[in-house]
Parts: sequence; structure tokens; C-alpha cells
Amino acid sequence: GQSLEQPSEVTAVEGAIVQINCTYQTSGFYGLSWYQQHDGGAPTFLSYNGLDGLEETGRFSSFLSRSDSYGYLLLQELQMKDSASYFCAVSFSGGYNKLIFGAGTRLAVHP
Amino acid sequence: NAGVTQTPKFRILKIGQSMTLQCAQDMNHNYMYWYRQDPGMGLKLIYYSVGAGITDKGEVPNGYNVSRSTTEYFPLRLELAAPSQTSVYFCASSQTGGTGELFFGEGSRLTVL
Repeated sequence: GQSLEQPSEVTAVEGAIVQINCTYQTSGFYGLSWYQQHDGGAPTFLSYNGLDGLEETGRFSSFLSRSDSYGYLLLQELQMKDSASYFCAVSFSGGYNKLIFGAGTRLAVHP
Repeated sequence: NAGVTQTPKFRILKIGQSMTLQCAQDMNHNYMYWYRQDPGMGLKLIYYSVGAGITDKGEVPNGYNVSRSTTEYFPLRLELAAPSQTSVYFCASSQTGGTGELFFGEGSRLTVL
């Protein structure tokens, strides 16, 4: 089966940097995605790591280590609008973007 | 470009009733998915489709059915609604596999009483 672990809550202040970790156990791992979801909204795609290493997209970066079954999302220069839930999701062999999601990390950004 | 459109946005059902959640995408995406999200939880995959006429079960398919007669539409059928099916349902689509990127609709909030 597949399982993902991520912290349930993280708190930070505006302008700071926060890292949200994700560990996974899955057979036939293909890649790791990150999604953002504001309360009452739909999940929106942030990033994808198919290979080991760091992917950077503006203020957000994502990292993957296949050997450690571990990844993280790094958010820099935090803004109030970054307050949301963040989900890691794994896709596994066969592609099809069939994603299994973690339970999510709720990020609260304070002034 | 509307993206992924879901209807209805809200619905209340009585136990034992049936209904269909509609999902349409105008991006010509091959892959489509149905997820459910219970309060404070992650998304659980119900069914997915890799093309017209091809569907397969996800993590939590019991109590649901799907069909995909065209690329654009991917309705989700709930038979004999139960309180355990109270949830927010999200439809999503993807152009190809291997990108990890899904485009989600705004969701359909279903309550079964």
C-alpha cells in the first residue's frame, strides 16, 4: 500500500522561511507533487519532483530524495496569503498522474 | 477557458437517494479523476479514467460508479446515498501522465442526511 506522513500544522511569521516535510512509503514510486489549498477552495498545483534534487518556482522550492523516501516544500518570504493547507502527493508506476495525497499541513502565517 | 466545471456546487440528499455529480473539462485532457475530501483530511481517489471508455477504481470506489463516453465529461454516480458519503467531491483532469499536475474543479459539497 501507499502512505504519506506530513506535519499537521506549521506556524510562521511574515517574511520568514518554512519547510514542510513529507515522507512516503509506496511501491513503484514515480514522483512527488505539492498542492496548495485555501479554505473552501480547490487544490492548486505547486510543483513536481520526478528526479532527486531541488526544483525552484519563484518563492517556492521542492526537494526530493528517492533513496530516503523523503521530500519537502520550502516557502520563502512568507506572505499572509500563503496561509493555507499544503498537501504532498505521490504518483506511482504506470504514470496516469494517479495521485495519492497526504493528510495535509495547515500553515498559519502571522504578522 | 472554463477549465474543469463541476455541478452542482451544493446538494443535500436523503439516505437512500441517488444522484449524479457532473464534471466537464474543456482542455481536451485525456485523464480525469474523482476525489473526495472529508473535513480536515487529504483527498482520496474514487475513480479515474485515462480516456473515453476506460475507467478504473481508485482508493475508495465503493458506493460510486463512473462512466466516460467522451473526452469532455466524467460524471460520478452515487447509488443509495449514505451519511458516510457526506464530503466535498473534486473532479480533476490532466493532459498526460508523469507530470504530477492535476487541474481541479471548484468542488461539489454533498451532505447526506
